[in-house]
Amino acid sequence: KAGVTQTPRYLIKTRGQQVTLSCSPISGHRSVSWYQQTPGQGLQFLFEYFSETQRNKGNFPGRFSGRQFSNSRSEMNVSTLELGDSALYLCASSGSRAGQDSTDTQYFGPGTRLTVL
Amino acid sequence: EDQVTQSPEALRLQEGESSSLNCSYTVSGLRGLFWYRQDPGKGPEFLFTLYSAGEEKEKERLKATLTKKESFLHITAPKPEDSATYLCAVQARSNYQLIWGAGTKLIIKP
Repeated sequence: KAGVTQTPRYLIKTRGQQVTLSCSPISGHRSVSWYQQTPGQGLQFLFEYFSETQRNKGNFPGRFSGRQFSNSRSEMNVSTLELGDSALYLCASSGSRAGQDSTDTQYFGPGTRLTVL
Repeated sequence: EDQVTQSPEALRLQEGESSSLNCSYTVSGLRGLFWYRQDPGKGPEFLFTLYSAGEEKEKERLKATLTKKESFLHITAPKPEDSATYLCAVQARSNYQLIWGAGTKLIIKP
């Protein structure tokens, strides 16, 4: 089975610009989660999408948004970039089924390294 | 409040020197506890999921155990290629979101 893919792998942007990152989950997985990782803060949860609906959201400003398509692919967008947005952005997919009784392992992609100048 | 604490922050071992990493957690109803390994600049790689106290899982030189308050990742006779950051996360019954620890950076010297 192909793993989680993320594009692009590297991005350089300047302050004030916006950026869109893409994630293709493992085939059959319906849940996609996004994380920001920086050396000082570790893994910070951004949001999770399941069947095109945002199911959970972390404590990030509204500049960070996402969406999920009917094929489970997901995108996240960051508008009005700030220097502090420089980070490794990770996407993870899981085979979460609808309902309350599922424990699902998240499988991560390689990440997108965003540098804001 | 759900919380995960990993210790130590960093651990330096000689090749072949066995040791353990700790993950302490507080969560209102544990759905699962996860261990990952992460190499620099890469996404975390899944290692184990543990569901209930007393459960143990093994993979090569790694063994993960779980109690009601903590999990240990035991590494036996490590090799330099085991050097990485090891991350622990818990999932509560009330939520699908994972709560992550800050990780333990493991360095194995040849």
